[in-house]
Amino acid sequence: GENVEQHPSTLSVQEGDSAVIKCTYSDSASNYFPWYKQELGKRPQLIIDIRSNVGEKKDQRIAVTLNKTAKHFSLHITETQPEDSAVYFCAASIGIGAGNQFYFGTGTSLTVIP
Amino acid sequence: GAVVSQHPSRVICKSGTSVKIECRSLDFQATTMFWYRQFPKQSLMLMATSNEGSKATYEQGVEKDKFLINHASLTLSTLTVTSAHPEDSSFYICSARPPSGGGYTFGSGTRLTVV
Repeated sequence: GENVEQHPSTLSVQEGDSAVIKCTYSDSASNYFPWYKQELGKRPQLIIDIRSNVGEKKDQRIAVTLNKTAKHFSLHITETQPEDSAVYFCAASIGIGAGNQFYFGTGTSLTVIP
Repeated sequence: GAVVSQHPSRVICKSGTSVKIECRSLDFQATTMFWYRQFPKQSLMLMATSNEGSKATYEQGVEKDKFLINHASLTLSTLTVTSAHPEDSSFYICSARPPSGGGYTFGSGTRLTVV
């Protein structure tokens, strides 16, 4: 099955700096890659996603890049703010149907220092 | 947007008792729902895939007789932790994906504490 690895496990940045989280996946059939943000004790929330036919996607301060050849994708957060502090999970999915399960990375705990 | 409701949010039970957790898709039909378990500071671990009208598919190492899943309708899946023990204390989250595809929507999670 699919194996998703995520690095780093913890990340501290100064407010205003950029943060980058990287994930790799093993199954070349994976074609959908969402990113989730989870605040302490709360549900994961989808923040951005990318499909395999796109190399990059941006939404305000958040961007995701995908390298299908190397089987890795990354989350970029620019101009970080304290409210960006949370745990971020990447995921990979083979197929985009309702029954296709996600394989999650191990998570990155991001701390933005004011 | 797609909304998944999960109840209860917190439950404390005595060792040996059973606890039922409900997961409802409020504005879409979910033929498939997923149940996850999350330990503190760890990732989401898929426990089982709940399929409406058929048996759930359990991940390796998950006891199906202990974690009973019922997906009786297109909007409701339940997870029952039977004969709970302190080691079952965890955060349980369900999720579903709207038929339109895209990302999962997660329930709010259930913090189970077994004393």
